[in-house]
Amino acid sequence: EADIYQTPRYLVIGTGKKITLECSQTMGHDKMYWYQQDPGMELHLIHYSYGVNSTEKGDLSSESTVSRIRTEHFPLTLESARPSHTSQYLCASSEYITLAGVPSVEQYFGPGTRLTVT
Amino acid sequence: ILNVEQSPQSLHVQEGDSTNFTCSFPSSNFYALHWYRWETAKSPEALFVMTLNGDEKKKGRISATLNTKEGYSYLYIKGSQPEDSATYLCAFIPGSDSNYQLIWGAGTKLIIKP
Repeated sequence: EADIYQTPRYLVIGTGKKITLECSQTMGHDKMYWYQQDPGMELHLIHYSYGVNSTEKGDLSSESTVSRIRTEHFPLTLESARPSHTSQYLCASSEYITLAGVPSVEQYFGPGTRLTVT
Repeated sequence: ILNVEQSPQSLHVQEGDSTNFTCSFPSSNFYALHWYRWETAKSPEALFVMTLNGDEKKKGRISATLNTKEGYSYLYIKGSQPEDSATYLCAFIPGSDSNYQLIWGAGTKLIIKP
């Protein structure tokens, strides 16, 4: 079982509040990711990091920000939550693998944070 | 724009029946395909990673095939059990991405009826 943790699991918060979603992994992976997923829709990459002090925006534009000060920790922050931020947020990390001589990655996921902004 | 399509969106299957569903991806730019199972209130977990045309992987009653020339993968579940109820996600890595970032489908939600 993967050692990647997210807190809180569920959060209901009012508009305008600042929130931080926590993500930690104990596998020593350099690559970490934040995905956003709405019901019945694809996982959309909103942020990723390839190591300490490295952060990049993903394909889906997001008003959130991330930081990567330690390898194991990749928190996501919303400075001012809005109802449009209501969604499920999944954190993941990955490691390189080789299959039949072909390099690839395997991703490990946290259990997700279901955020509701009222 | 690279899209991954999964069908059907949801599926109700009687316990004991076998079933299968599809993941379609761009055949012209393939590197690897992943299947994940996501049970409610749990983390998505990896089932298979496939890279070669004609690949066939098996884990217990679940198996997957890959056709990179026509751009599809099938996931099969033999003799469905209630614990198979989950959303099955596929993700594609395009050959043009040296960072191996996954592009995800919306999933097939499988519900096993006892």
